[in-house]
Formats: sequence, C-alpha cells, structure tokens
Amino acid sequence: SYELTQPPSVPVSPGQTARITCSGDALPKRYAYWYYQKSGQAPILVIYEDDKRPSEIPERFSGSSSGTMATLTISGAQVEDEGDYYCYSTDNNAGGVFGGGTKLTVL
Amino acid sequence: QVRLVQSGAEVKKPGASVKVSCRASGYTFTNYDINWVRQATGQGLEWMGWMSPSSHNSGYAHKFHGRITFRTDASIRTAYLELSGLRPDDTAVYYCARGPSPEYFDFWGQGTLVTVSS
Repeated sequence: SYELTQPPSVPVSPGQTARITCSGDALPKRYAYWYYQKSGQAPILVIYEDDKRPSEIPERFSGSSSGTMATLTISGAQVEDEGDYYCYSTDNNAGGVFGGGTKLTVL
Repeated sequence: QVRLVQSGAEVKKPGASVKVSCRASGYTFTNYDINWVRQATGQGLEWMGWMSPSSHNSGYAHKFHGRITFRTDASIRTAYLELSGLRPDDTAVYYCARGPSPEYFDFWGQGTLVTVSS
C-alpha cells in the first residue's frame, strides 16, 4: 500500500520559519496537498497542487515539491498556526492517501 | 458561500449499518465530487472514497470493499455515505468534503461522530 511519511512533530519559535516535510514514492508524478486541522475542527486546505495557496490562506504559508518530498513552509509562524498538518496525495492503486500528520507547536 | 452540512451523531451496535448525509449549498452540486474522510479519536485522517454527483462514478479505499456505499441525490443537493458491518474500530468522526478535481478536496463538512459500541 502507498504511504506518505511526515514527522510526528515540529517545534518552532514565534516568528521563525517552520518546515513540515512529506515523503512518498509517487510524489514525483503526483501533486501534494496540505490540510491544517485545529483540535476539534474540520480540516482546511492550505496548499494545493504542490505550491498553490487558496486566496483566504495567509501568504506566510507556501508549498514546494522536489523528487519524492513535498514541503510545507510557514514563514514567521504565529501562535494561531499551532495544530495538526496533513499532507495528501493520490496513487493509482490506493486512491487517496493522507500522511500521518505533523503536530506544529509554536512556543 | 460554500457549505456542507452533515447529519447528527449516531450510536450503533456492532454489525449494524450507518448512513451519514451531507447537504451542500453555495455552489453547483453536480460540478464537484464528494469525498468521504474519517478520523478516529486522537488519530489521523483516513480517505474513504468519492462519488461524482453527475456521473455517479465512484471509488473507494480497498479496506472498505463490500461495506461502503455512496449515493447522491442532486434534487436535494445531498450526498450519503453508508457503511455496513460496523465494528468498534469504525468509531470515528466522518467528514464529507467537496472535490474540485479527482485529486483533492477543498471545503469540508463539520463532521459526524459515529460510535460503534455494544
């Protein structure tokens, strides 16, 4: 089965840059998407098609992808950015797949 | 604005079936797929499958083979997920989410808690 691998946690100090990675064998051929989930709430889309940002998402969020790794970057992380971040992609056999999620801690 | 409003929490016994509804508003219902994602308490997100309200084509994760049914009713802009043969490990919050393409989803419903317990 297809897997996307994320680090379980990423700590960052307020105002610093946080980078969350997502690795998967199909990422050279498939887009990566990123979702943010605050505890107890539905996820929201923060990056689509590797590096595109929905209009309502702050500019400090950006995405990139190279080879088998996609990266979500939060430039100048803020306390309100704390929460869980999930990468998502697709595979011909597995369909949709989420990474295991990364808990971002801003302190 | 785009809204997906789901039905309320359910409590089911093992072996039973559950049907969760997802009513859409704020966009043309038949232009977007509906995906279903679930999340067990304290766990990550799990993609379950999708359905096109226009073509009624669908796909699902292999682990749900034989237990999962999707349906849409465009006349009332509503999608349905039915999961049968429920087990305690099916206890989770179930989300519907709108899919602008087969590759991803943008807007999510508020989630429906399904508890499976004897």
